[in-house]
Amino acid sequence: KQEVTQIPAALSVPEGENLVLNCSFTDSAIYNLQWFRQDPGKGLTSLLLIQSSQREQTSGRLNASLDKSSGRSTLYIAASQPGDSATYLCAVRGETSGSRLTFGEGTQLTVNP
Amino acid sequence: DGGITQSPKYLFRKEGQNVTLSCEQNLNHDAMYWYRQDPGQGLRLIYYSQIVNDFQKGDIAEGYSVSREKKESFPLTVTSAQKNPTAFYLCASNRQLSGNTIYFGEGSWLTVV
Repeated sequence: KQEVTQIPAALSVPEGENLVLNCSFTDSAIYNLQWFRQDPGKGLTSLLLIQSSQREQTSGRLNASLDKSSGRSTLYIAASQPGDSATYLCAVRGETSGSRLTFGEGTQLTVNP
Repeated sequence: DGGITQSPKYLFRKEGQNVTLSCEQNLNHDAMYWYRQDPGQGLRLIYYSQIVNDFQKGDIAEGYSVSREKKESFPLTVTSAQKNPTAFYLCASNRQLSGNTIYFGEGSWLTVV
């Protein structure tokens, strides 16, 4: 059974700092991996989707990498801003899981002004 | 604007009652999903539907029921058999079974009183 782990569970940084969020998964037979942002009491917003054949994806100040063989992904946020404060979740879709996504528990990020 | 609409945003259920959460999408997506999120935890899949008039159980389907009579609509009923229904419920959809970004609604809070 696929398990997704996100470390750390919470992170607090000063504004302007570059930071890395980690996501690991136990079964490397994945179709893709997706990073999401969730504000308190809100739904999830997709940030980046990485297909299993890709190594990384970039969108603005965000860069997500994928090392499928080692079961790891990182989300790099450059020049963090207070508006980046949210919970970040990663989710994987397994090759044999059809439509199912397996989610990590998220990293709660606070960027202090 | 295209998107996923969930209603109501807040719902209170008395013991022994069934309640229905609405989910409507105008994105012309084939697949729709219901997830449950408990505080500080990741998302768990309740039910999903790949096509009209067809749906499959997720990881925690007991005590829930769904229907998919129209492509745009995927309502979730929380029955009295669900012993711990207090949670945040998220509806999602995407175009295909896999490979495409999944989009989420804003969620519905259900509380048992």
